[in-house]
Amino acid sequence: SQQGEEDPQALSIQEGENATMNCSYKTSINNLQWYRQNSGRGLVHLILIRSNEREKHSGRLRVTLDTSKKSSSLLITASRAADTASYFCATDEAGGGADGLTFGKGTHLIIQP
Amino acid sequence: DGGITQSPKYLFRKEGQNVTLSCEQNLNHDAMYWYRQDPGQGLRLIYYSQIVNDFQKGDIAEGYSVSREKKESFPLTVTSAQKNPTAFYLCASTPTGYSYNEQFFGPGTRLTVL
Repeated sequence: SQQGEEDPQALSIQEGENATMNCSYKTSINNLQWYRQNSGRGLVHLILIRSNEREKHSGRLRVTLDTSKKSSSLLITASRAADTASYFCATDEAGGGADGLTFGKGTHLIIQP
Repeated sequence: DGGITQSPKYLFRKEGQNVTLSCEQNLNHDAMYWYRQDPGQGLRLIYYSQIVNDFQKGDIAEGYSVSREKKESFPLTVTSAQKNPTAFYLCASTPTGYSYNEQFFGPGTRLTVL
């Protein structure tokens, strides 16, 4: 079953603006990861945040994690046309063994030039 | 140039036929995974393998089969028992079977049943 649910399902903003997307999950996790998928392509790993971390940065990306609310957010600052893609959160469930990640349905981000 | 390759990129199948999707990696990763993605949906786990000669069913294994005879290769067979096989199939790998690793994805195979 899918644990993560991204919100919103779709987001359209102007180039240069910031984009924020959220992920909620249901069970305790070891870590949460964000991936990007360009149309018709494979997924690319963006950032991993562990359950004992609250915030992490990578370039124009900022990820927060609130384990008490079981939620995470991904902020992309100063958006570019090349950021147009679908973004997925994926969770590693605590006690879930070594069977991989559980992915949400994704947020489709469109950056208008 | 390390990475994961999947072939073919597009595959068309008639109803009642079995087809095999290829996944090869030269990253020396132990663990490999197969996911299915339907339009507007996330990824669902079909099968995974943590080590050579071992594999486990994921959430939607019915109608699929895999083998892991070599570390580099993890082919997926979509059998005629899979009732709705039209989808985008993604293969991934990680250094070990533990999920604190990021997953490396191939470019995907789009399967269409005619």
